Amino acid sequence: NAGVTQTPKFQVLKTGQSMTLQCAQDMNHNSMYWYRQDPGMGLRLIYYSASEGTTDKGEVPNGYNVSRLNKREFSLRLESAAPSQTSVYFCASSEFRGEAFFGQGTRLTVV
Amino acid sequence: DAKTTQPPSMDCAEGRAANLPCNHSTISGNEYVYWYRQIHSQGPQYIIHGLKNNETNEMASLIITEDRKSSTLILPHATLRDTAVYYCIVSRVNTGFQKLVFGTGTRLLVSP
Repeated sequence: NAGVTQTPKFQVLKTGQSMTLQCAQDMNHNSMYWYRQDPGMGLRLIYYSASEGTTDKGEVPNGYNVSRLNKREFSLRLESAAPSQTSVYFCASSEFRGEAFFGQGTRLTVV
Repeated sequence: DAKTTQPPSMDCAEGRAANLPCNHSTISGNEYVYWYRQIHSQGPQYIIHGLKNNETNEMASLIITEDRKSSTLILPHATLRDTAVYYCIVSRVNTGFQKLVFGTGTRLLVSP
């Protein structure tokens, strides 16, 4: 039982490049989330998916797109990376009112 | 969702109880209080949550005041491994999901 798995763990991009961050959970949770955390800050919600087939914007959605591929997988895409998107990205999943489980993060640097 | 206020940092001696306060004076009736912690740069870890009654699990106890405007997370016997940033979050009960809004939390330092 792996919980929430994120790939890759580290990535360096050049400005303007695109990439997709992958997230998969094996707990049969309905809801999945993407957060970013900048140095010294709390986590900020980028996008979330309350259930398979739905996605909604969080606090900081600009510059990102998401896809809820199926119940297990929720990907985050940066179409044209910018230095301001340098951050640690966390994926999470949860059930209604229960605890949220977080992945170990993807450390992204945009140069 | 209601906002929360936490002290930026606290210290605790190893083996002593750590009491982390949280103010959520604008909490509404259908909002739960959640506590998470983040050790170093790992993903946040769930600790405990409650609505109005006090709660206890193997990690901690949660004391919520009768008016629900504040709460305290208690780690009964803090260890060095409890050094982390602790987040108090108030989250509305939604029909199908839980949206967590993280603040900057309390940085707890447990010392020998």
